[in-house]
Amino acid sequence: EAQVTQNPRYLITVTGKKLTVTCSQNMNHEYMSWYRQDPGLGLRQIYYSMNVEVTDKGDVPEGYKVSRKEKRNFPLILESPSPNQTSLYFCASSARRDDSPLHFGNGTRLTVT
Amino acid sequence: SQQGEEDPQALSIQEGENATMNCSYKTSINNLQWYRQNSGRGLVHLILIRSNEREKHSGRLRVTLDTSKKSSSLLITASRAADTASYFCATDFGDYKLSFGAGTTVTVRA
Repeated sequence: EAQVTQNPRYLITVTGKKLTVTCSQNMNHEYMSWYRQDPGLGLRQIYYSMNVEVTDKGDVPEGYKVSRKEKRNFPLILESPSPNQTSLYFCASSARRDDSPLHFGNGTRLTVT
Repeated sequence: SQQGEEDPQALSIQEGENATMNCSYKTSINNLQWYRQNSGRGLVHLILIRSNEREKHSGRLRVTLDTSKKSSSLLITASRAADTASYFCATDFGDYKLSFGAGTTVTVRA
């Protein structure tokens, strides 16, 4: 089954404790992206990747890192999480940039205390 | 930056009625896409309309695009309880970012 898999589904952590949210897709998509969703703000793009070893900042990249060492994986790293990073995070991928729809994972709900 | 803005923020309708929601944006786009989200789950792509298209249909969905007014509308006909969800427009303005609005929450009453 074609899908984007994120783990974990829920995560509660404390300020400053490094964490990684994994994202994997099995559709051989070149484009992958991370979004955060907050009430009233919609989805805001954190980082995106056009292909392996190519990543770029989205609208809200501060406090986040990503890597794209393999085509299928695009982990999101929070080196020193803070409470304002409490949010619902989504990974998404698509076949190519122009007019291809995004396929989303089921989300990771992160709480930083 | 957030491009698309949906209107209304929330909509409550009776099963069988039509639901219409609108999306406005500020700059020229390559295409505009509509997505559905159920209860905090991942978004699901519904329909894409290119900047040179004016109307598109998919099942009970009808999307229009007016580039002169920089607006789009999504019509769901003969709504069902399963249509209860949040609907988002996403604008693709060609800089490798797909910008989402804050969404319209639709509740279909039985």
